[in-house]
Order: sequence, then C-alpha cells, then structure tokens
Amino acid sequence: DGGITQSPKYLFRKEGQNVTLSCEQNLNHDAMYWYRQDPGQGLRLIYYSQIVNDFQKGDIAEGYSVSREKKESFPLTVTSAQKNPTAFYLCASSVYDGGPYNEQFFGPGTRLTVL
Amino acid sequence: AQSVTQLDSQVPVFEEAPVELRCNYSSSVSVYLFWYVQYPNQGLQLLLKYLSGSTLVKGINGFEAEFNKSQTSFHLRKPSVHISDTAEYFCAVRGTGGFKTIFGAGTRLFVKA
Repeated sequence: DGGITQSPKYLFRKEGQNVTLSCEQNLNHDAMYWYRQDPGQGLRLIYYSQIVNDFQKGDIAEGYSVSREKKESFPLTVTSAQKNPTAFYLCASSVYDGGPYNEQFFGPGTRLTVL
Repeated sequence: AQSVTQLDSQVPVFEEAPVELRCNYSSSVSVYLFWYVQYPNQGLQLLLKYLSGSTLVKGINGFEAEFNKSQTSFHLRKPSVHISDTAEYFCAVRGTGGFKTIFGAGTRLFVKA
C-alpha cells in the first residue's frame, strides 16, 4: 500500500531538548511538506521541499530545521529555539508541478507535547 | 497570493439533517479548490476537488461542493448527515500553475443523535 508514515504518533519532550519527527513516503512524490496544526488556526506551513537536497522555508520556519537527503524521507527537527512547540505536526507529499493533479496526501500526524 | 475564509468555526446538526459548510476564497489568478476532512488525531483526507469544468463537484461519503466564481465561494454540502461525519473540515485553495496550497482555519462539524 502506498502512503505516508509518521513516527512517533505521540512525543514528549523536556524544555531545551531538540527532537526529530520522522516522515516517510512511498508514493514516489517529489514534493514534501511539514505543517503545524493548532486548535482554531488551521494548517501553517513550516518547510517544504520540491526536490531532493533542496528545501524552502514556509510561513513559520523559526525554531525548526529539515533535511531532504532521500526522495522518500523528510525529517523535521524541532529545536530548543522554538518557543511554543506543543502542537500536532502533519507531513504531506505531492507530485511536483503546477498542474491540477498535485493535491497533497497527508500522514497520520505526530502530537508533540513539551513538559 | 490566495486566502481562504471558512465562515463557521463550529456547525452542530442533528443526524439525517442537511448541512452546508461555507468557504470563501480570494485570488488574483484562477484556482484549484479542495475540501479535506480530518477525524480526531488523524491526518487529512481529500473529500473532493474542483479543477475545471462542471461547477458541481461530487466527492466521497456523499459530499458535494459547488464552485461559484462570481461569489468566490466553494461551499460543501451533504443532504443527510450521519454521526460518523463528525469531524473537522478544511477548505483549501491553490493558484493554477502555483505550488503552495493555502488552508482555511477549519470547520468542526458535530452531528448529534
């Protein structure tokens, strides 16, 4: 089955620690995205990558970092510089073109709680 | 640039009643429009999309939406809801030829028995 997996489902972190959230896809999609979801605010784009070894900041990139060394993988690191990291994090992927078929497919999410 | 406004943050409705979730957008270029559904503690699932052609779009689970270019709206409807439709619904827009998808703040649909 093709799809997107995120791990772990729940993650607890102490203040001052960096944590890395995993995202893997086997849809052969070029583009991958990370979103943050807070109640009542919808989805906000953190980072996106259109191709391997390249990525761009989204609307709320401060305190986060990413890498894209493989087409299938797009891990997100939440650093200690992120002032309010408790949130639900969603990874997505799509084909990369400006045409009509690049709707985004989403993973199940990771809920991060800072203790 | 595009923006999306979902006009209702919460919509309570009784089972088997009809429902409409409202979405307005703004854009200086032609757009593709999407509705996604999110069940608690899960990712988003595509319900339906408008790309071009017929303005009435049918999706999964009996939902449909109508694209109204003059009113810049893309409202989601279902003639008879079930308890299992309780979820959060997101409207999204992307400019044709563009890459970034903009999501609305979401509408929480609560279906009561």
